[in-house]
Amino acid sequence: DTEVTQTPKHLVMGMTNKKSLKCEQHMGHRAMYWYKQKAKKPPELMFVYSYEKLSINESVPSRFSPECPNSSLLNLHLHALQPEDSALYLCASSQAGTRYGYTFGSGTRLTVV
Amino acid sequence: GENVEQHPSTLSVQEGDSAVIKCTYSDSASNYFPWYKQELGKRPQLIIDIRSNVGEKKDQRIAVTLNKTAKHFSLHITETQPEDSAVYFCAANDNAGKSTFGDGTTLTVKP
Repeated sequence: DTEVTQTPKHLVMGMTNKKSLKCEQHMGHRAMYWYKQKAKKPPELMFVYSYEKLSINESVPSRFSPECPNSSLLNLHLHALQPEDSALYLCASSQAGTRYGYTFGSGTRLTVV
Repeated sequence: GENVEQHPSTLSVQEGDSAVIKCTYSDSASNYFPWYKQELGKRPQLIIDIRSNVGEKKDQRIAVTLNKTAKHFSLHITETQPEDSAVYFCAANDNAGKSTFGDGTTLTVKP
C-alpha cells in the first residue's frame, strides 16, 4: 500500500460544529503531517508528528487539535471554526528524518459556513 | 526560519520545448530539496528530489540541479508534453525535517 487515505473528501460545517478529519497510511512511515492549502497557494504546515509525538506546531489556533492514536493514524479535530478556515486540508507522511519527501493524501475540502 | 523563493510564477511553453523552474533558499542548513507536481484538484505528488551532497539528479525527462554555494536549485523538464501541465512546487527541508514550499509555478504546455 503506497497511499495516504483521507476522509471525508468534502466537509461542510457550521461555526459551532465539532468535526474530525481522518488520515491513514500503511507504508510504515513514522512521520505524519497536516497541511492547509488555500486556492492558488502552496501547502502551509500546521503540525508534524514524529514517532506518534507532536514535534512541530506552527502556532496553529487551538480550534484545531491534532491527535495521533498510533503510527498509522492521524486525526485533526475541528471546533468553532471560522469561515476563513475554509481550505483543502492535506495529510502527508514520510519516513522519519530530514531527507525524505512526502506522500500526500487527496485532502479534505472543508467549507465553514 | 527557511524562506524559499520560486520563479517564474507562470510558464507557458510549446509541446516539445524545455521548461526550467528556479528556486532559492535562505537557510544554509537545509539539506533536502523535493519537487512536487500538483494537477488541478489533485494532491501534490513528489516527482524528483535531491540531497545536499549531490549536484544533479536525472529521471527520464526531468532533472534537478543544486548549487549549495549560491543556495539555489532548479527543475528542468525536457520534451514537454501536455500532461506536464500542472503547478510545480519546490521545497527545502531544514534540519528538523520541516518542508518549506515555494509559491509554485503554473506550467502550461500548449499542444
